[in-house]
Amino acid sequence: TQLLKQSPQFLSIQEGENLTVYCNSSSVFSSLQWYRQEPGEGPVLLVTVVTGGEVKKLKRLTFQFGDARKDSSLHITAAQPGDTGLYLCAGFTGGGNKLTFGTGTQLKVEL
Amino acid sequence: GAGVSQSPSNKVTEKGKDVELRCDPISGHTALYWYRQSLGQGLEFLIYFQGNSAPDKSGLPSDRFSAERTGGSVSTLTIQRTQQEDSAVYLCASSLVTTVTGELFFGEGSRLTVL
Repeated sequence: TQLLKQSPQFLSIQEGENLTVYCNSSSVFSSLQWYRQEPGEGPVLLVTVVTGGEVKKLKRLTFQFGDARKDSSLHITAAQPGDTGLYLCAGFTGGGNKLTFGTGTQLKVEL
Repeated sequence: GAGVSQSPSNKVTEKGKDVELRCDPISGHTALYWYRQSLGQGLEFLIYFQGNSAPDKSGLPSDRFSAERTGGSVSTLTIQRTQQEDSAVYLCASSLVTTVTGELFFGEGSRLTVL
């Protein structure tokens, strides 16, 4: 059973476009993280959000944690080819011991 | 090394054979995780270690899968009598702390192909 569902599963856009990736669950998470993974590499942490309603910005990326701590979104402004990769949300359960990953969103940004 | 190291990077085996995958975490990291990833998909949790003990083995798919960690460092994931559905990339990660803000540092993975 996948606790965290991401949408869309695939996204192909042109450079300069904006996009939003969603991460949804019926479970409450202590915190939620977003990772990016490039081919042949392991995922790399982008951000951690802890408080319901929290918004964090990382350059052109904006992350939001839902008020009920069950969902999150990632918004990218003016996407660039370097943003291409697999985006994964992940939530901590079990008192911070177990990190459960979402289904993933494969983003491709073309020139 | 500075990062998480996994070996082998690629392993091709025949159905029914046993395989061992090794993970060297970042020095000083007490938590160690194993995940499995199918092509372009999300990560499937397998097992988690805190020191040498495994409080959560809930993700191991069957009794053919086992893992151990010794000296609070190196971990080995063993798959016995491999099946074709075991083909995937096996990722290891370590973390300095086990809190809800802990960052997991991943290795590059071991790609397993079962023929």
